[in-house]
Amino acid sequence: GQSLEQPSEVTAVEGAIVQINCTYQTSGFYGLSWYQQHDGGAPTFLSYNALDGLEETGRFSSFLSRSDSYGYLLLQELQMKDSASYFCARRRLTGGGNKLTFGTGTQLKVEL
Amino acid sequence: NAGVTQTPKFRVLKTGQSMTLLCAQDMNHEYMYWYRQDPGMGLRLIHYSVGEGTTAKGEVPDGYNVSRLKKQNFLLGLESAAPSQTSVYFCASSNSASVYEQYFGPGTRLTVT
Repeated sequence: GQSLEQPSEVTAVEGAIVQINCTYQTSGFYGLSWYQQHDGGAPTFLSYNALDGLEETGRFSSFLSRSDSYGYLLLQELQMKDSASYFCARRRLTGGGNKLTFGTGTQLKVEL
Repeated sequence: NAGVTQTPKFRVLKTGQSMTLLCAQDMNHEYMYWYRQDPGMGLRLIHYSVGEGTTAKGEVPDGYNVSRLKKQNFLLGLESAAPSQTSVYFCASSNSASVYEQYFGPGTRLTVT
C-alpha cells in the first residue's frame, strides 16, 4: 500500500508548539517529506527525513521513526502566518523512478 | 529566475472540449510532474517525466496525455474534458538526486461544465 494518514485539522494558539503526525505504509519506503500550502497557493518544501531522528530548520523540525512507520512535523513559537495546510509525502523508489505520494493534508489554524 | 511557471491560471471548459496546460521551469531540473488537487484528497500524481522525451503514468493518468519535447517544458493535455476533471492542477520539478524537494508552480484552476 501507499497511503499516508494525517489528522485533517489541528488548532493551536499563537506562541504555542504544535505537532502534526503522519503514519505511512512501509512498502518501498525511502523517506518522508513535509510541505506547506497556504490557501490558494502552491505547496512549498519544508523538510525531509531519510533516516531516523530529528531534522531542525528554524522554528520547524521533522522527526522520523522508520521502525514505527511514523513521522511528525513540529512547529514552535507559532505565528498567525503558520495557518496553512501541511502535507507529509512518502518518497518511493519504484521501477519508474523516484516519486512522492502525498497525504491528504492537515489544516492548521493558529488562533490568538 | 522565475522557478516554475504555469499557463493559464484559470480556465473554464465545456464538456468535450480540449485544452493544453503549459508548464515551464528554468532551474535545469531533470524531473517534472503534473498533479491534481481536489478538496480533501491532497495532491495526486497524474503523469511525470524523468527527462526530455520521456513520460510515465502516475496514480490518476486516465483522460490526460503529456509531452516533454524540451527539458524545460512539460505539457498536460485534456483531449475531451469531463466535469470530473474540474480541479486545481499543479506542475512541479526537481533534481533527479532530490526528488523529495519538489518546486511547484502557482497552479491552474480548471472548471469543466
